[in-house]
Amino acid sequence: TQLLEQSPQFLSIQEGENLTVYCNSSSVFSSLQWYRQEPGEGPVLLVTVVTGGEVKKLKRLTFQFGDARKDSSLHITAAQPGDTGLYLCAGAETSGSRLTFGEGTQLTVNP
Amino acid sequence: NAGVMQNPRHLVRRRGQEARLRCSPMKGHSHVYWYRQLPEEGLKFMVYLQKENIIDESGMPKERFSAEFPKEGPSILRIQQVVRGDSAAYFCASSPIALTVFGYTFGSGTRLTVV
Repeated sequence: TQLLEQSPQFLSIQEGENLTVYCNSSSVFSSLQWYRQEPGEGPVLLVTVVTGGEVKKLKRLTFQFGDARKDSSLHITAAQPGDTGLYLCAGAETSGSRLTFGEGTQLTVNP
Repeated sequence: NAGVMQNPRHLVRRRGQEARLRCSPMKGHSHVYWYRQLPEEGLKFMVYLQKENIIDESGMPKERFSAEFPKEGPSILRIQQVVRGDSAAYFCASSPIALTVFGYTFGSGTRLTVV
């Protein structure tokens, strides 16, 4: 069974600060995906990283896939209250049809 | 262009009753996945279906749970004789192809409460 560990579990910061969320595993994944989930809603896909070492930017969000395709990070620059939510990383297995999700990072950005 | 539609959004059942959760995939998507999210936990894979076929049900409890995706109509996740531990949010996702690598579109979920 492949596992993904996310850290930190909770993060409360002030508006304008930077933050990084980590997603680590001992297993190799064919891709790493980041989702954001708001209360009462389903996860919404933010980005997929496929190639080891890949970096993708989405406005103030920067996603990186580790060289060995076992870990990933999400960096948010100048966080805003609208960034508040549950951030989930998910790994796609190299074979099979399932995603393995991390436990999530609950981010709160205070104005 | 409607997204993945799940209903009901909220479902309350007494212990021992049956729960039926419905999922209509996005137009043109023939692959459906069900995940369960327990309170304070991440999402756990349950089952992967294509039209009229169960492809992977390795994440689904062996007893009381079943899933189908008929040729016509939505996918159904059925839980018989519900127990309190079944209380969770159940999410359905769909994709146009079988590859998981590019990510899914999830529905808003059905929140099941067993009393």
